[in-house]
Amino acid sequence: NAGVTQTPKFQVLKTGQSMTLQCAQDMNHNSMYWYRQDPGMGLRLIYYSASEGTTDKGEVPNGYNVSRLNKREFSLRLESAAPSQTSVYFCASRANRDTNTEAFFGQGTRLTVV
Amino acid sequence: GQSLEQPSEVTAVEGAIVQINCTYQTSGFYGLSWYQQHDGGAPTFLSYNGLDGLEETGRFSSFLSRSDSYGYLLLQELQMKDSASYFCAVSKTGRRALTFGSGTRLQVQP
Repeated sequence: NAGVTQTPKFQVLKTGQSMTLQCAQDMNHNSMYWYRQDPGMGLRLIYYSASEGTTDKGEVPNGYNVSRLNKREFSLRLESAAPSQTSVYFCASRANRDTNTEAFFGQGTRLTVV
Repeated sequence: GQSLEQPSEVTAVEGAIVQINCTYQTSGFYGLSWYQQHDGGAPTFLSYNGLDGLEETGRFSSFLSRSDSYGYLLLQELQMKDSASYFCAVSKTGRRALTFGSGTRLQVQP
């Protein structure tokens, strides 16, 4: 059981380049999330998807787009990367049952924009 | 929005007990959860309080008081491997967004 799989694990981009971070989960979860983590800032929610076909903005959505391709996959796209987007990105998923709050995280993508 | 406040750093010695507090400014949420993250790793779930009171899972316990907008994580019999960052998180009723505090870095010393 792979859980949540993110690719790539590391990436270096030049300012202005675009890229897509991929995330897939095999736990049949409805909700999926993208976070960024910067030193001292904790985990900040970029976008989330409560179910297939829906997406919502989180705390820091500017400069990002997302696609919930199907129930398994939730991708994050940087259209024109900026140095301020240098961060560690985590994808997470969890079931939608009200009493189930456990989120499962991927291993992260370390992105550097130069 | 939601605001969760945690101390930035806590230091304790091996074998001791440490409490990590979390205060929040939000209403109408399902409950408070806690996550652990070792350096270079991904966050992993520790505990969840859907109701007021204490939840115990081995050496870890978590507490919630909705009337005080306050919760805490209690770690007993500290071990060196407990050195990590700890995050509280809430999910607001009616929404599926999971919002995290800024985290508390726990350093366990010999």
